[in-house]
Order: sequence, then structure tokens, then C-alpha cells
Amino acid sequence: EIVMTQSPATLSASPGERATLSCRASQSISDKLAWFQQKSGQPPRLLIYDASTRAPGIPARFSGTGSGTEFTLTISSLQSEDFAVYYCQQYNKWPETFGPGTKVDFK
Amino acid sequence: EVQLVESGGALAQPGGSLRLSCAASGFTFSNYVMGWVRQAPGQGLEWVSAITGSGGSTYYADSLKGRFTISRDNSKDTVYLQINSLRAEDTAVYYCAKYFRGSSIAYWGRGTLVTVSS
Repeated sequence: EIVMTQSPATLSASPGERATLSCRASQSISDKLAWFQQKSGQPPRLLIYDASTRAPGIPARFSGTGSGTEFTLTISSLQSEDFAVYYCQQYNKWPETFGPGTKVDFK
Repeated sequence: EVQLVESGGALAQPGGSLRLSCAASGFTFSNYVMGWVRQAPGQGLEWVSAITGSGGSTYYADSLKGRFTISRDNSKDTVYLQINSLRAEDTAVYYCAKYFRGSSIAYWGRGTLVTVSS
């Protein structure tokens, strides 16, 4: 199975700052990567699929880049509602796998 | 509007079985891959299983093969997850998920809680 890793585990930032989250796959997954946001007590929400395509209704401040084994989610200017946990997931090969998550919290 | 409503979560004994259900609406159910993802208390997301639109192909997390069975009834717009030989480590919220065509998970239900304890 493909192992996904994410860094950092926790990102402390202030509203208005730029946040950069990283995700790495143990083997090439082409662009078959999604990013999800999860807030406490809620189900995850799809932000980005196919590595760089924003899901419907997702603000333009969220962007995804990368292919192969290295991927990045960037939040250009953090809003208060963006403080949450972010997961990457590969769907290039069964079984699909998630990364352990990056928590974005207030500095 | 896509809606996914899970049910069947309960307090169950180790060694027992549970069948989770997910009732879908708002889309042509038989056209889409459906799946299950779980989340243990305070932990991250763990992909569990998926099934193709026709039900002809099923996929499982390596660590869960043998005890979990996914199925679907396209006449009822419902996907199921059968869990046998329950263990304490199966305690989690189980989310139902709908996929985009040929792509990632697109929508999530609100989840159903399974607690395994004697």
C-alpha cells in the first residue's frame, strides 16, 4: 500500500498569513491526490482533487500543486474559518490511503 | 443535493457483528463508486473500503481484509458495510462517501458511531 506522510504535524499561524502544507507519497501517484479539511465534530470536506482542481464552492485562497510524490496545499491568506485539520489522500491505487493530517492552529 | 445518511452504529461486544447502512439521495446512485472511511476517537482518517457502481468490484484496506464486507443495493440506493469479529480498535465514527466519476471522494455523510466494548 502507498504510505502518505504530511508535514508539519502542526502549523501555528495568524489570520492573514500564508500557510503551506506538504504531503508526500511513498511512490508516484501521478496527480491522483485530494485534500480535505476537517473541523472538530464535522465530517471532512473536499477542497482539492486531481492535485490542483478546487472543488465546487471552495474559495480561491486554497490552491494545490504537485505531481508524482510531492504535493503542496497553500492557503494564501488564512481566515478564521480555516483553522482546522487538513488531510491528503491518494486515489491512484487501491487501497486508497490518507496522510496523518496537519493541524492549522492559532499562533 | 447529494445526501448520505448513515445508520447502524451501536455499542457492540467484542467478537460480535454489525451492519452499517448508508442511504443515498440526490444523484443516480448506480453510476457512482461508494465507500467507507472511519475515524477513531481523536485520530486521523482511515480509508476502509469502496465498491463500484455495479457492485462488481470491491476494495479493502489491507489491514481490514477478511472481517469487513462492502455491498450495495442499487434498487434501494443504499450501500452497506458488514463488520464481523468486532475488536476494540474498530471503535470509530464510520463515514459513508460518494466519489466523483474516475476521481476522488466528493461527498461525505455525517457518520455513525461504532463502539466496541464489553
